[in-house]
Amino acid sequence: SYELTQPPSVSVSPGQTARITCSGDALPKQYAYWYQQKPGQAPVLVIYKDSERPSGIPERFSGSSSGTTVTLTISGVQAEDEADYYCQSADSSGTYNVVFGGGTKLTVL
Amino acid sequence: QVQLQESGPGLVKPSGTLSLTCAVSGGSISSSNWWSWVRQPPGKGLEWIGEIYHSGSTNYNPSLKSRVTISVDKSKNQFSLKLSSVTAADTAVYYCAREVVVVVAATRERWFDPWGQGTLVTVSS
Repeated sequence: SYELTQPPSVSVSPGQTARITCSGDALPKQYAYWYQQKPGQAPVLVIYKDSERPSGIPERFSGSSSGTTVTLTISGVQAEDEADYYCQSADSSGTYNVVFGGGTKLTVL
Repeated sequence: QVQLQESGPGLVKPSGTLSLTCAVSGGSISSSNWWSWVRQPPGKGLEWIGEIYHSGSTNYNPSLKSRVTISVDKSKNQFSLKLSSVTAADTAVYYCAREVVVVVAATRERWFDPWGQGTLVTVSS
């Protein structure tokens, strides 16, 4: 079955840049999406179609794609950005399945 | 803006059927969106369960397909999830979400926004 691979954890100091990667064989053919989830809360969409930012999401959140890897970048990280981040894409094999990465815990030191 | 709210029993016995409903407010379930269920076991990641369109068309995660039924009630502006033959492994927070679907270069692109607050369902005797 199709899988998306994320690092389990990323740590940065306030004001620095955090980069969270997500790898998957179908990513050159399918867009990726990113969600932020804080403890006890539902996920919130922060990036769609690799690099588009929904209204209301701070400009410090950005996304990029290169080959089989997509990257969520948070510039000037703030304490409030500490959360779990999940990438999501679709299985391109025709099963209509949606796949999430395992999630990355972002720790702001 | 669209808001979603899950409801249903928080405790289900093993081998029983889990039943949840998602009420949609601030918008019509008959809009050009799909509607999905996603679950998250305690301390673990997200798993897509399945989706439904207001016409009744559905697609399910292949790993759950044999046990899942998603239905829609347009008159009540809500959709529902049934998961049969549950075990402790089905214990999770269950979320409903609006699924935005667009076709880009013959590829079906989908993302979830917004989500309901989620409801914890525990499978235990």
